Amino acid sequence: DQQVKQNSPSLSVQEGRISILNCDYTNSMFDYFLWYKKYPAEGPTFLISISSIKDKNEDGRFTVFLNKSAKHLSLHIVPSQPGDSAVYFCAASGGGGSQGNLIFGKGTKLSVKP
Amino acid sequence: GAGVSQSPRYKVTKRGQDVALRCDPISGHVSLYWYRQALGQGPEFLTYFNYEAQQDKSGLPNDRFSAERPEGSISTLTIQRTEQRDSAMYRCASSPRAGSYEQYFGPGTRLTVT
Repeated sequence: DQQVKQNSPSLSVQEGRISILNCDYTNSMFDYFLWYKKYPAEGPTFLISISSIKDKNEDGRFTVFLNKSAKHLSLHIVPSQPGDSAVYFCAASGGGGSQGNLIFGKGTKLSVKP
Repeated sequence: GAGVSQSPRYKVTKRGQDVALRCDPISGHVSLYWYRQALGQGPEFLTYFNYEAQQDKSGLPNDRFSAERPEGSISTLTIQRTEQRDSAMYRCASSPRAGSYEQYFGPGTRLTVT
């Protein structure tokens, strides 16, 4: 059973609008969450993270929101740019596994159209 | 600066052969991680090291898989008696400090077992 779920395999957004990528998790012991971005033929690159003691973390155009009671987090990109087109992975840590063990979702492919 | 590198980038091998996949982490990074990624999935944790010590190998699927990092830098993931189900992208990541959640991924090795 997947502990980290990204239920939307793809998302298409117009340039300049907001992109919202969603992630749900089942393990209440997770204490740290990350978003990674992946371009074709490259490895995932770290984008932004949030500790479970916070409910929001902002870095430029990227904001991650965490709703612990709903076991849900989301990544907002405002404004979206064509260069943001990539696959976005949600990841979580601390769910009873070792600190190095990140649990990833399946990813959401974001397409930002000019 | 140089990122995480992996070699070979592509490996085709016949069933039953042994393969060794190499990871060269970012210089000075303490922790090194191995993941396996199937098509359409997120990376799946295999094992990780702090320096030369293997901290967690709970993700290795069976005893045909092993990893080492003898000098705390380069790591090798070895798969013995390969099977077709071992075909996947194998990704390595490193992080600068033990316990750091932010991992820097390499481009991966695409393994195909025929």
